[in-house]
Amino acid sequence: QKEVEQDPGPLSVPEGAIVSLNCTYSNSAFQYFMWYRQYSRKGPELLMYTYSSGNKEDGRFTAQVDKSSKYISLFIRDSQPSDSATYLCAIGGGTSYGKLTFGQGTILTVHP
Amino acid sequence: GAGVSQSPSNKVTEKGKDVELRCDPISGHTALYWYRQSLGQGLEFLIYFQGNSAPDKSGLPSDRFSAERTGGSVSTLTIQRTQQEDSAVYLCASSIRGGFQGSTEAFFGQGTRLTVV
Repeated sequence: QKEVEQDPGPLSVPEGAIVSLNCTYSNSAFQYFMWYRQYSRKGPELLMYTYSSGNKEDGRFTAQVDKSSKYISLFIRDSQPSDSATYLCAIGGGTSYGKLTFGQGTILTVHP
Repeated sequence: GAGVSQSPSNKVTEKGKDVELRCDPISGHTALYWYRQSLGQGLEFLIYFQGNSAPDKSGLPSDRFSAERTGGSVSTLTIQRTQQEDSAVYLCASSIRGGFQGSTEAFFGQGTRLTVV
């Protein structure tokens, strides 16, 4: 079993839709949860960061962490064509100090 | 430059040759990471440098892979006797300090696309 599982999609939605992206993980020691966005032929860039359980909102983006279920989510409201990218969840902490474990990435396309 | 710089951006090499990939981290960043991204896959951790500490090499897939970080700055990832399965995008990232307390963001370079033919 992979440490982090993410549905690779691809996911295609119309502009304005609400998008839900999810990851599950296996190691309960993980404490730091992140979402990265990666445009084609670019390096990933940090989108959201959450420590431990709870919600965090930033504009149209909301990150949720449920440590009891080992489940993390990213919601995108009022999605735009510019949101089309690959979204990667990343998890760290516990004994893996300094090392981020990434999910497979979900390819999202928002069409006008 | 202001960001993480990697060179070359693309590299095509013949099977069995050695290759060196270079990473220039953001000035002042003490932590440096190498990841590998194969087609349709997430990022696979390779190695992590933090200051003067011994690097975490736990992700290197075989002894053909090695990495150095000179003077706490530039890093070189070396792959000896390349194989076709080594074809991937090799990404380097740096952060101000290691670990993730206080949202220690890791900034990624654009990667080196390696193709072994």
